[in-house]
Amino acid sequence: GESVGLHLPTLSVQEGDNSIINCAYSNSASDYFIWYKQESGKGPQFIIDIRSNMDKRQGQRVTVLLNKTVKHLSLQIAATQPGDSAVYFCAEPEGNTGKLIFGQGTTLQVKP
Amino acid sequence: KAGVTQTPRYLIKTRGQQVTLSCSPISGHRSVSWYQQTPGQGLQFLFEYFSETQRNKGNFPGRFSGRQFSNSRSEMNVSTLELGDSALYLCASSLEGNRNEKLFFGSGTQLSVL
Repeated sequence: GESVGLHLPTLSVQEGDNSIINCAYSNSASDYFIWYKQESGKGPQFIIDIRSNMDKRQGQRVTVLLNKTVKHLSLQIAATQPGDSAVYFCAEPEGNTGKLIFGQGTTLQVKP
Repeated sequence: KAGVTQTPRYLIKTRGQQVTLSCSPISGHRSVSWYQQTPGQGLQFLFEYFSETQRNKGNFPGRFSGRQFSNSRSEMNVSTLELGDSALYLCASSLEGNRNEKLFFGSGTQLSVL
């Protein structure tokens, strides 16, 4: 079955620096991944997604990279701001359902 | 358009009691899913409802149940509460519940079992 896991539970960066949050997955047939951001006291919020026919996808200040060879994806946040402080989850759907399997999450701390 | 609304925001119960949580999805969304979030286990899928029918179910005991009404609003119930049921319960909605659709989450109900 599917499983996703994050590499580091906590990442601390200086304001203005770039942040990279990593995630590994186990199923080589996985073809769709989503990144969520969860701020304190709120539910997860969709950030960006990527399908397996792409290696890279860019959004506003965020980029997701997918390396299918090593089953790894990363979320890059450019010019990290205090408002980016949150827990970040990678997730993938299980089979053909809408059920999401979430990684454990990485807490991003932005130092002023 | 209003987001996913969950009530109540906080709840304190004692062991053995039962609790009902409510979720109103985004207007037009017909799929509602429930997740349990704990520090130890992370986000875990409970169940998903579509057109008043449970379509998918996670690995939780039968004490956890839910239902969906004709207006797509959903409730989940936990009976005979245990200390380990303390968690943030999140509701999420999407248009049809298909695998490539975005899930929109509410802010959750924080349940504390004493």
